[in-house]
Amino acid sequence: QSALTQPASVSGSPGQSITISCTGTSSDVGGYNYVSWYQQHPGKAPKLMIYDVSNRPSGVSNRFSGSKSGNTASLTISGLQAEDEADYYCSSYTSSSTLLFFGTGTKVTVL
Amino acid sequence: QLQLQESGPGLVKPSETLSLTCTVSGGSISSSSYYWGWIRQPPGKGLEWIGSIYYSGSTYYNPSLKSRVTISVDTSKNQFSLKLSSVTAADTAVYYCARLVVVVAAVDYWGQGTLVTVSS
Repeated sequence: QSALTQPASVSGSPGQSITISCTGTSSDVGGYNYVSWYQQHPGKAPKLMIYDVSNRPSGVSNRFSGSKSGNTASLTISGLQAEDEADYYCSSYTSSSTLLFFGTGTKVTVL
Repeated sequence: QLQLQESGPGLVKPSETLSLTCTVSGGSISSSSYYWGWIRQPPGKGLEWIGSIYYSGSTYYNPSLKSRVTISVDTSKNQFSLKLSSVTAADTAVYYCARLVVVVAAVDYWGQGTLVTVSS
């Protein structure tokens, strides 16, 4: 497997909640609790938003939350704000020789 | 505050070798808590993990690039480097260096990224 599968785009209105999925296999997402999520604004380096499936680094808004069920991890953004419009990527540890995979990326649009 | 800075040519000719260096400041590259990695992003596309290196020199590479990639570390200079051989236009991308936290397998620090274009 070369990448984790994410929806290409997700949209929502300000104040709503949206969820982005990230599907892998039992060798990565399903086998370990080492799923992370990154936010990337245009022209900028990605920023870590969630690690270990559901933990937030210091300074990240509690509107961002993560979860996992089986081979699929999810990122939920609640109280959607204009500043949340960005690309989001998941990543997972993998037991293969690669060490880490990224997801295909999801563009979040705030309507 | 930890900082990572990529450096190297912004233009590489097809079939030649792309070489980039990442200088780490504000922290030691010799820490046992981190891997040091390279990630790339073709224009308008997603992130691709290239590979990583531990301060001891052990490496992990993306299988799709493994035959062309070499990542090395110079602890005396607090730097690590990427070499990608036999490049083609498909290797045109923004290349990021990054720090991966071992215990959580998450990238907590990123360089600003450097665009490398493969063209004659």
